[in-house]
Amino acid sequence: NAGVTQTPKFRILKIGQSMTLQCAQDMNHNYMYWYRQDPGMGLKLIYYSVGAGITDKGEVPNGYNVSRSTTEDFPLRLELAAPSQTSVYFCASSATGLNTEAFFGQGTRLTVV
Amino acid sequence: AQTVTQSQPEMSVQEAETVTLSCTYDTSESDYYLFWYKQPPSRQMILVIRQEAYKQQNATENRFSVNFQKAAKSFSLKISDSQLGDAAMYFCAYTGTQGGSEKLVFGKGTKLTVNP
Repeated sequence: NAGVTQTPKFRILKIGQSMTLQCAQDMNHNYMYWYRQDPGMGLKLIYYSVGAGITDKGEVPNGYNVSRSTTEDFPLRLELAAPSQTSVYFCASSATGLNTEAFFGQGTRLTVV
Repeated sequence: AQTVTQSQPEMSVQEAETVTLSCTYDTSESDYYLFWYKQPPSRQMILVIRQEAYKQQNATENRFSVNFQKAAKSFSLKISDSQLGDAAMYFCAYTGTQGGSEKLVFGKGTKLTVNP
């Protein structure tokens, strides 16, 4: 079982560039999340989705955009990358978001220089 | 807004001993779910244990157990017979049940070191 797959695993961006972090899950989960984890810190929620066509902002949405056109995919778009967006990004999914385990991808380490 | 606080940035324990990690949370909801996740150096987040707020009985998973105090909004994790493989970051997390609160909120984590 693939679970939650994130691509790429590593990326270096120049200031002002844009990119899309891909996230796909094959568990038919309704809920999907994007988090960022800064060194020595916890996970901060960027955006989340409770189903296809529905997205909502988390704690730190500025500088990011998401879409959820299918149940399986939840891409995260970075526009005009800034050094403050250097972080490790995690995608996660869960069946309902209410009482079930969240499954995480292995993360994308992004450096903006 | 719901918040999760882990007041111990780092903890250490001797192999085979017991350690307790603390977590408090703030919410106005009466029904919610609490979790402990483990993040080893590989970065892969792994669910350790889950507690449903409407259940008074504390959850247990092998060597891992929780002390859930709903009135105090406290949710501590006890690791018994600590093993070297338990060394990791541990995150406490909360998810609500009401509209708009379904997001999974994490604390800042506690780094656990296990000494041989």
